[in-house]
Amino acid sequence: AQRVTQPEKLLSVFKGAPVELKCNYSYSGSPELFWYVQYSRQRLQLLLRHISRESIKGFTADLNKGETSFHLKKPFAQEEDSAMYYCALSQYNQGGKLIFGQGTELSVKP
Amino acid sequence: GAVVSQHPSWVICKSGTSVKIECRSLDFQATTMFWYRQFPKQSLMLMATSNEGSKATYEQGVEKDKFLINHASLTLSTLTVTSAHPEDSSFYICSAREEGTGMGDTQYFGPGTRLTVL
Repeated sequence: AQRVTQPEKLLSVFKGAPVELKCNYSYSGSPELFWYVQYSRQRLQLLLRHISRESIKGFTADLNKGETSFHLKKPFAQEEDSAMYYCALSQYNQGGKLIFGQGTELSVKP
Repeated sequence: GAVVSQHPSWVICKSGTSVKIECRSLDFQATTMFWYRQFPKQSLMLMATSNEGSKATYEQGVEKDKFLINHASLTLSTLTVTSAHPEDSSFYICSAREEGTGMGDTQYFGPGTRLTVL
């Protein structure tokens, strides 16, 4: 079964520290993976997707098919990075619907 | 970037009444929209896929007669919660898929609708 797992419900780091939000997936085909971010009282917005291989707001994520992971990383966390982060997998054979992980709340302390 | 709106942003209704929520893609056409439900401090749970010009596809466990979806145009999908009860109180979020962007399809999310059933 297709599944996205984010093992950490809450991740708390200090400003300037590196941060890694974990995401593991199970999918039988070729997945397309995304990271979405939801800042307080704002809508969900796309942070990055694996096929574009971009770096957005200093965040990067590499798809590791061997480990079935798509961890989100940033070398130096900022207070404004505090938000809920959701890893999601797109199922093209089912109309492109997304399967979301449980979400990780990132709290960056000053 | 592409924008998706939802209306209303919040609604309070009495038990037994029906509530309609609109989802619009403002600057792009979307043959496919999705409806999610989000409980406090929890992830999004996909309820159904809304397809323009055809019937919606519901996820397992979602009552299609309870949550009526209509996708009448390429920019509008509606979710009607029929005979609402307090347990239907939740945050409902829609997304619209922008197709043909050249980098795979991207989903854009609405701001959500807070439904409270008294």
